[in-house]
Amino acid sequence: DQQVKQNSPSLSVQEGRISILNCDYTNSMFDYFLWYKKYPAEGPTFLISISSIKDKNEDGRFTVFLNKSAKHLSLHIVPSQPGDSAVYFCAASENDGNQFYFGTGTSLTVIP
Amino acid sequence: KAGVTQTPRYLIKTRGQQVTLSCSPISGHRSVSWYQQTPGQGLQFLFEYFSETQRNKGNFPGRFSGRQFSNSRSEMNVSTLELGDSALYLCASSLAGGYSPLHFGNGTRLTVT
Repeated sequence: DQQVKQNSPSLSVQEGRISILNCDYTNSMFDYFLWYKKYPAEGPTFLISISSIKDKNEDGRFTVFLNKSAKHLSLHIVPSQPGDSAVYFCAASENDGNQFYFGTGTSLTVIP
Repeated sequence: KAGVTQTPRYLIKTRGQQVTLSCSPISGHRSVSWYQQTPGQGLQFLFEYFSETQRNKGNFPGRFSGRQFSNSRSEMNVSTLELGDSALYLCASSLAGGYSPLHFGNGTRLTVT
């Protein structure tokens, strides 16, 4: 039972444009959300987080939006750069953050 | 500050054998988690340790076990290996284990033949 879903396995975007990666979840108890980037042969790298008391969090080119009523979050990357090409995972946890549920990832390709 | 270190990076084992994977967390991080990544399945939670105590366990058979030492280093053991155990095993550490992001190592790629 996949509690966190990333329905787009892949996404291609032109360099300089906006990349929007989406994530849906089913558990209304989730209150802490993370985004990770993963290159081949490396572990996931933490990008940005958001807690359920906020609906937006920014860090440089990365912005995460949370829509609790729709159980949906998204990651915006502006402007997209070729080095952003990687697999992106969203993750969610409830209460204490001891266990995270991950989506299956979206492979982003930024075309120069 | 050094990141999360996992050893070994690659491992090839035969069905029925057992294996032990090692993880050294970021200095000061007391929570260590283990995840299994297989193609198409994303990352699946195995277990989480904090101050040498297992606080949470995922839906994996008892062949998968772990422990954490007083210096926060952790080991994961898989006994009676099956072909389906072939995966990337990722260790992650975090500051407090709650509302803190996970920081991952580069993983151990286990192949069972």
